[in-house]
Amino acid sequence: DQQVKQNSPSLSVQEGRISILNCDYTNSMFDYFLWYKKYPAEGPTFLISISSIKDKNEDGRFTVFLNKSAKHLSLHIVPSQPGDSAVYFCAASITGFQKLVFGTGTRLLVSP
Amino acid sequence: SQTIHQWPATLVQPVGSPLSLECTVEGTSNPNLYWYRQAAGRGLQLLFYSVGIGQISSEVPQNLSASRPQDRQFILSSKKLLLSDSGFYLCAWSAPGPVPPLHFGNGTRLTVT
Repeated sequence: DQQVKQNSPSLSVQEGRISILNCDYTNSMFDYFLWYKKYPAEGPTFLISISSIKDKNEDGRFTVFLNKSAKHLSLHIVPSQPGDSAVYFCAASITGFQKLVFGTGTRLLVSP
Repeated sequence: SQTIHQWPATLVQPVGSPLSLECTVEGTSNPNLYWYRQAAGRGLQLLFYSVGIGQISSEVPQNLSASRPQDRQFILSSKKLLLSDSGFYLCAWSAPGPVPPLHFGNGTRLTVT
């Protein structure tokens, strides 16, 4: 069963606009969430994370929002840039368990 | 700084042949080590993880195995590859701790023919 779901396989956005990538999870034990960015033929790179004690975390153009009651998190990229075009994975974990569960990814295309 | 090396970058192997993928980490001690696989059109699936030498946890029953002969070395193996083993294999490390971020290598594209 897919405990972490990214229901949108792709998203197209114009440069300068906001990109919103969504992620849902089913396991209420998850208490730590991360976003990764992946270019073709490369490993994913860590972008931003959030603990379940928070509902928002910002890092430059990237903001992650967490809605625990809805078991939903989102990544906002503002403003979007062509270099942001990549596949974005959300991941979830339970504190103390040394592993991450990943979603299936969303391919973001930012056009000039 | 810490770096992770994974090789080879690409590999084409016939069905029934053995497999050995190697991953090494530099610049850190006692890392947690992971093998993930990304199959076509799917997310990242955790295959194995290790919190210390000789300690391997398997997440998915399959014909793959993992070993950690040294602190910063992680090896993924198979005695006989199946067509379904094709995919993009990623090694990752994290510092010991509650839930630190994973840092990935550049992956190995395995095609079983």
